[in-house]
Amino acid sequence: AAGVIQSPRHLIKEKRETATLKCYPIPRHDTVYWYQQGPGQDPQFLISFYEKMQSDKGSIPDRFSAQQFSDYHSELNMSSLELGDSALYFCASSLEGAGAEQYFGPGTRLTVT
Amino acid sequence: GENVEQHPSTLSVQEGDSAVIKCTYSDSASNYFPWYKQELGKGPQLIIDIRSNVGEKKDQRIAVTLNKTAKHFSLHITETQPEDSAVYFCAATSGRYSGGGADGLTFGKGTHLIIQP
Repeated sequence: AAGVIQSPRHLIKEKRETATLKCYPIPRHDTVYWYQQGPGQDPQFLISFYEKMQSDKGSIPDRFSAQQFSDYHSELNMSSLELGDSALYFCASSLEGAGAEQYFGPGTRLTVT
Repeated sequence: GENVEQHPSTLSVQEGDSAVIKCTYSDSASNYFPWYKQELGKGPQLIIDIRSNVGEKKDQRIAVTLNKTAKHFSLHITETQPEDSAVYFCAATSGRYSGGGADGLTFGKGTHLIIQP
């Protein structure tokens, strides 16, 4: 079965640079979520989109923004990168939003030097 | 907001024995409780979930129980096998967007399950 696709899988950036992470949900899924996971930590919810509208907002820094496009894929834009932004970034997708099963992608490992 | 506590942080069991991981949550409005298994370098994998209108759910060697009154839920793995070794996360939704929208999950800190041969 098709899974969530994330690109790139690995990304190295310098401080103060900008990064864009992409997420392609499971076909027919209409909801995407973004999570950040630091080393040895649990995933932290950043933001979600349902039917291309921002739905729920977690601990997303003001330097980050995201959107969902008409084909349901999503992009997480990260500006003025800091060393502390180094983490795994996961996208998850679900069908029909709240209380729905969230399926996670393989993640993008972002390293800020 | 929601707060999820998970215990133990590390659990070592002999192959073939059972493992139990426990979680508590704080928001009485939470209505969906999934469990994820995460192997090193991979994304969390949904293994079982339970909703607030159900007390217990079982899928082969895995079962989850929910006590809404006490606000706790548990994962039970029977007949453990080496491939069960991983980090397990419980999670809960705040339920702020019932009927639509997309709730983010609040995760517990994780349990590192080690299956001893």
